[in-house]
Parts: sequence; structure tokens; C-alpha cells
Amino acid sequence: QSVLTQPPSASGTPGQRVTISCSGSSSNIGSNTVNWYQQLPGTAPKLLIYSNNQRPSGVPDRFSGSKSGTSASLAISGLQSEDEADYYCAAWDDSLNGSWVFGGGTKLTVL
Amino acid sequence: QLQLQESGPGLVKPSETLSLTCTVSGGSISSSSYYWGWIRQPPGKGLEWIGSIYYSGSTYYNPSLKSRVTISVDTSKNQFSLKLSSVTAADTAVYYCARLDIVATNDAFDIWGQGTMVTVSS
Repeated sequence: QSVLTQPPSASGTPGQRVTISCSGSSSNIGSNTVNWYQQLPGTAPKLLIYSNNQRPSGVPDRFSGSKSGTSASLAISGLQSEDEADYYCAAWDDSLNGSWVFGGGTKLTVL
Repeated sequence: QLQLQESGPGLVKPSETLSLTCTVSGGSISSSSYYWGWIRQPPGKGLEWIGSIYYSGSTYYNPSLKSRVTISVDTSKNQFSLKLSSVTAADTAVYYCARLDIVATNDAFDIWGQGTMVTVSS
């Protein structure tokens, strides 16, 4: 059972906009920033969004992040077939002397 | 361009100690801007943070694994290492090393190794 809660799956057709939610608590998302990672099949995770809504260099602006209270969201607009991957949210958790916590992951399927 | 590479045995027997090393190339492990961490992923499951270390040797661990984990750093070799004791089948996973950027990305794992699969089995 992951500390951060994500839907196990999401889907969309090419060109559509999809969102993936990430729900936490006051000790993690409620008091710290959220990062998002993209994991393409058979590869290592890649940083997609940091500090709730910032994109690292090279990440297309089709990807955007937001945070409100104890929840965060990742939005992907203009969906492309290469976006089919697993997506994970992550945040620092202040409880128990501190720990990085991840969501269980959302598998995005491009129909 | 900074790269991380995990190395170590792919098979460990139950009750023994899992040992992995991450070699950092293309940059110095001794930068004040970064921590270095280990994250694992059991087959078909999500990511779990194991622990992180600063070049000075300061460490912090996942509370659920703390009693079995030791992470160390060797700045002369530009490497950091993971030891996980008393392993069971539940420790079977792909183990990733990663850089935690505490400045530019305000605490995010921004560079990852390719990962190494470790199976616990007799």
C-alpha cells in the first residue's frame, strides 16, 4: 500500500488531454513539493515535473503539474503514442524522521 | 554528461547481504548540490526509496528498511554503495541509484542509473 494514492490506470486517444491524480496527506503533499516521474517500458524512471509544476530542460510543455492542498495532478495535453508509460508521483514525508514516498504508479494507455 | 551505473551480484541467497555499488561518471560525487540515493522496484510493482547519502557521509534511510540498510560513499572512487542485510524473497527487485538535486530541482531525483535486477533465491 503506497503512501501516495494514484489511480492504477488511465487512458486516452491521440490528441486528447488526460490527467493523473495523486492524493496524499498533510505530512507529505500538504507540506512539501511534488515531483512526477515517467517510466517507459523496460527503462529507468525519468524526472518529468519537479516542484509541483516545473519542467526540466527537454520535457515538452504538453506536460504540466499542479498541486492543491494534499493532492497533486499531472496533465498531458496533445496525447501522443510515445506517452504510453507508467507515471509516478513522489514527495518528501515529514513523519517518522522523514522519508521519500512514491505513489503506486499509473499506467497510461494511448488507445 | 553525468551518468550513474549500478553493479553487483544479480543473485543473492536468503538471509545473506545484498551489496551494490553505483559509479558516478562525468561529474563529481563531492558536489554540495547533490545527495545520492537508492530506489528499488519489485517486479511489476511501484518505486520504493531505500535511502540517501551526502558526499560527507551523512545518511538518511527509509524507516521501514533502516534496521537492515547501510549506505556508504567513497569519494576517491566517485562511488556510493548499498548494503541490505538479511534479505528475503521480498527484496527481489530492480535496484536503481539516482542523483538527488537539492538546488536546481529543489529536491528531485533528476538522474537515474539504468537499474540492476537482484533476485533473492537459494
